[in-house]
Amino acid sequence: DGGITQSPKYLFRKEGQNVTLSCEQNLNHDAMYWYRQDPGQGLRLIYYSQIVNDFQKGDIAEGYSVSREKKESFPLTVTSAQKNPTAFYLCASSWSSYSNQPQHFGDGTRLSIL
Amino acid sequence: AQTVTQSQPEMSVQEAETVTLSCTYDTSENNYYLFWYKQPPSRQMILVIRQEAYKQQNATENRFSVNFQKAAKSFSLKISDSQLGDTAMYFCAFYNQGGKLIFGQGTELSVKP
Repeated sequence: DGGITQSPKYLFRKEGQNVTLSCEQNLNHDAMYWYRQDPGQGLRLIYYSQIVNDFQKGDIAEGYSVSREKKESFPLTVTSAQKNPTAFYLCASSWSSYSNQPQHFGDGTRLSIL
Repeated sequence: AQTVTQSQPEMSVQEAETVTLSCTYDTSENNYYLFWYKQPPSRQMILVIRQEAYKQQNATENRFSVNFQKAAKSFSLKISDSQLGDTAMYFCAFYNQGGKLIFGQGTELSVKP
């Protein structure tokens, strides 16, 4: 079945450590996105990528980095510069960021500080 | 700046009754798209319904329908014959021409037996 796989489901970070969240899709979508969700709040865009080897900052990119070396994969690294990383992270994809096609979401990764 | 506002943080409804969730947005664009997403306790985001701004006819998907008022920039979601499985957080989202999806703060809906 086609879909988006995020791993791990739960992740713990020590202070000063970088951690990487995985996002893989087999929907053949061009565009991929990373969102952060804090309790009781909506989703905020961290980074997005419209095509391989290209990505743009979203609204809250500071302390995060991404890469898009393959169409299927869009990993997110939470760096030590992100002082408040505890949140629920959602990855999404769509056919294009310039279309009306809805975004499809993964099941999310919950990141906590040890 | 484009914003999406959901003014009802929490709502509850009895099973089999009808409930309406409110959403307003602010934009200067003329062509855009609006969505309602559902996030159940499992935290997965599920598309409920979508509306193209150029269409005057309100979108309908089974028990879910919208009341789209373009001039008022309002996009409410009506759930008919509410079911226990409808219990979830509901997010209104606006898709602008720049390709970004902007979410509201969400409305937590509880369906009571």
